[in-house]
Amino acid sequence: AQSVTQLDSHVSVSEGTPVLLRCNYSSSYSPSLFWYVQHPNKGLQLLLKYTSAATLVKGINGFEAEFKKSETSFHLTKPSAHMSDAAEYFCVVSVIMFSGGYNKLIFGAGTRLAVHP
Amino acid sequence: GAVVSQHPSWVICKSGTSVKIECRSLDFQATTMFWYRQFPKQSLMLMATSNEGSKATYEQGVEKDKFLINHASLTLSTLTVTSAHPEDSSFYICSARLTGANVLTFGAGSRLTVL
Repeated sequence: AQSVTQLDSHVSVSEGTPVLLRCNYSSSYSPSLFWYVQHPNKGLQLLLKYTSAATLVKGINGFEAEFKKSETSFHLTKPSAHMSDAAEYFCVVSVIMFSGGYNKLIFGAGTRLAVHP
Repeated sequence: GAVVSQHPSWVICKSGTSVKIECRSLDFQATTMFWYRQFPKQSLMLMATSNEGSKATYEQGVEKDKFLINHASLTLSTLTVTSAHPEDSSFYICSARLTGANVLTFGAGSRLTVL
């Protein structure tokens, strides 16, 4: 079965320092993986996605993630945190529903990122 | 870009009443829409998958008679919480898949509070 595990429920960094949000996945086949961000009381915004092309994926707002099959990881990074990055981040795996001909998303538990001045 | 609109963005209702939440794809057609539920400070849990013109597929543990889903057109899916109770209070989020593509767009969510 496909699943994702976000290793940290909370991460706190200072503005201008690097961000690392960790995610490990479990999949019986080559997965499609995503990172979404959710600001308070708002919907989700796609940061980036991996779909078996380049293992280093660049997303919006300076975020990037590296797919490492040997480590079953898909960690999200950013070189320099900004105050506006404070939000909830979700690592997500896409599950193929062969019977229905569509994919459904399985969300990780989320990591709350706090950015301090 | 693709936009998904949810309405209402928040609603307060009395226990025992029914509440309908709409999910619209504004500038694209969506054969498939998804409904999620998010409890405070928790992740999103998929409730059901809604396919235009057919019955919704509910996830295990989700009461289909409690959460009625209708996807009558390629741009609209509705979630009706019937006989709502305080434990139904939650943040409900929909997403829509552009027909023929593997891209999901999420709505901004609807916060339901049942008194």
